[in-house]
Amino acid sequence: GAGVSQTPSNKVTEKGKYVELRCDPISGHTALYWYRQSLGQGPEFLIYFQGTGAADDSGLPNDRFFAVRPEGSVSTLKIQRTERGDSAVYLCASSPTPGALNTEAFFGQGTRLTVV
Amino acid sequence: AQSVTQLDSQVPVFEEAPVELRCNYSSSVSVYLFWYVQYPNQGLQLLLKYLSGSTLVKGINGFEAEFNKSQTSFHLRKPSVHISDTAEYFCARTGTASKLTFGTGTRLQVTL
Repeated sequence: GAGVSQTPSNKVTEKGKYVELRCDPISGHTALYWYRQSLGQGPEFLIYFQGTGAADDSGLPNDRFFAVRPEGSVSTLKIQRTERGDSAVYLCASSPTPGALNTEAFFGQGTRLTVV
Repeated sequence: AQSVTQLDSQVPVFEEAPVELRCNYSSSVSVYLFWYVQYPNQGLQLLLKYLSGSTLVKGINGFEAEFNKSQTSFHLRKPSVHISDTAEYFCARTGTASKLTFGTGTRLQVTL
């Protein structure tokens, strides 16, 4: 596609429910990142995929968070037993070269998750 | 730990005035610095980046930034702002890892 696509754009869920957030990266981009942006804060790193594998998942806050990228393109961020503190905008980014620091990462518009 | 500090949470400025958004980073052997802009309800867009070489970096929309190693700063500047520059601006860095570490952002509010 023309850019990084994230669906849904907005998601409201009840505390304790399970949610899935989808990211469709730019075609051909091998690197994919998830970030979380809480209100009034900058984005915080969650996880980085290089192809199908998670190269760095050190930013995942706890074991309720999990992400997959089974075919090396679309990625899904999964949150179990959601808590109100999970409310944030979840951003996805992709870049053409895995791990290359001089390569721009292109961001999607984000999914705004609200846990009530 | 790598960190980025944006001291100004909000910067109000009149249209056509110059602006400087401040960014300081924690020192490390290697550092790569970025400025991103986020317009309302949109994703982050790269304004400019410093990887090596010339310390004055020019970006899109008339913005520029200067890498200052001795002061560990990477301030963003524009000589004359426009209403359309109203947005949230984030300074970010990478080091030896691929992930970006962002500052808390500066809200630039341009008024007539």
